[in-house]
Amino acid sequence: DTAVSQTPKYLVTQMGNDKSIKCEQNLGHDTMYWYKQDSKKFLKIMFSYNNKELIINETVPNRFSPKSPDKAHLNLHINSLELGDSAVYFCASSQQGQLAKNIQYFGAGTRLSVL
Amino acid sequence: SQQGEEDPQALSIQEGENATMNCSYKTSINNLQWYRQNSGRGLVHLILIRSNEREKHSGRLRVTLDTSKKSSSLLITASRAADTASYFCATGQGAQKLVFGQGTRLTINP
Repeated sequence: DTAVSQTPKYLVTQMGNDKSIKCEQNLGHDTMYWYKQDSKKFLKIMFSYNNKELIINETVPNRFSPKSPDKAHLNLHINSLELGDSAVYFCASSQQGQLAKNIQYFGAGTRLSVL
Repeated sequence: SQQGEEDPQALSIQEGENATMNCSYKTSINNLQWYRQNSGRGLVHLILIRSNEREKHSGRLRVTLDTSKKSSSLLITASRAADTASYFCATGQGAQKLVFGQGTRLTINP
């Protein structure tokens, strides 16, 4: 029944590895997002997809590659992990349009620790 | 640079008291939203106020918006222990982008 679900919840890995985080929403929304929350709780948008098309791509290293196979899924692949990638990554979704007002629904987060 | 900035960064009050958090932003907005984040969880939308509105209520929440000062406040009345969380303001820019502040960590002491 979870509206926005992301897996895994915890991810511990060594520097240099490649890892993926998956996100799925069952709300029928057309837009999905990835955010990074650092240790100071600062939440920053990384990417946004609308109907499988990339619409927001903030200044993010190209080691991060989002992939949206359909509008209900937005996965995040990270190559060559670095210590500074350690953070909590949140997936979110929303329905665009004037009436929708871009209210976003968040997953529970994936805590990534790079050792 | 960071858009929304919450003030204070941390707030600790007794149960039953009112809690006020402030948010300032820098550019034009379509709307301003407040979200709550419980420890270890995702953000949950609380309330939205449009740029042409000045005040909005939802249960024990009251939000004000002053576009001339580029600021908003969130008031939680009659606080409860369950209100303990971090609260974030987010400004709507264009149709698809929200920019979040750094949050206010609210602790309600029993």
